[in-house]
Amino acid sequence: SQTIHQWPATLVQPVGSPLSLECTVEGTSNPNLYWYRQAAGRGLQLLFYSVGIGQISSEVPQNLSASRPQDRQFILSSKKLLLSDSGFYLCAWSVLLVAEQYFGPGTRLTVT
Amino acid sequence: GEDVEQSLFLSVREGDSSVINCTYTDSSSTYLYWYKQEPGAGLQLLTYIFSNMDMKQDQRLTVLLNKKDKHLSLRIADTQTGDSAIYFCAERGTNKLIFGTGTLLAVQP
Repeated sequence: SQTIHQWPATLVQPVGSPLSLECTVEGTSNPNLYWYRQAAGRGLQLLFYSVGIGQISSEVPQNLSASRPQDRQFILSSKKLLLSDSGFYLCAWSVLLVAEQYFGPGTRLTVT
Repeated sequence: GEDVEQSLFLSVREGDSSVINCTYTDSSSTYLYWYKQEPGAGLQLLTYIFSNMDMKQDQRLTVLLNKKDKHLSLRIADTQTGDSAIYFCAERGTNKLIFGTGTLLAVQP
């Protein structure tokens, strides 16, 4: 069966510090991978998605970037965090871009 | 454009039925989904319905689809405190999955 992992689970970082959040998927090959941000426990904002190694699509311009160095690894990064980057970050995967997505447990990021 | 709308909040008493509504815009959607997000957790796929169906029942969950009105609903029978969560509907769009805005279900004991 497929499993998706995210770490860390929680993170507190000062403004201006770098960020690296990691997501890995097990039990499937060539998944589509997604990063979402959820503010204040409500709607989902799609940040990035990837259909393959090195292929990243950005949905919104922002202070963040994403990379996919391996087939089942997706990384969300920032060189300098802003207060507005605080939120709950969710990674997800799917077989097809239009198909149902399966989510990881999330990372709670607080920028102070 | 592609947009999926939900009411923000629903409060019910334990043991009552809950009905969470969703409207979508893409009439060509083939699949529609319901997800549940418990506090501090990721989204969990609850159920889905194919567009050629009007209803799907899975234990306490009943999904109703009205394609003419582009309206989807999730009914939870005998709602329990463990059902307290945010519920998201999602539609299979042209080239991506489109999520609704989420409905916070609060179950009062």
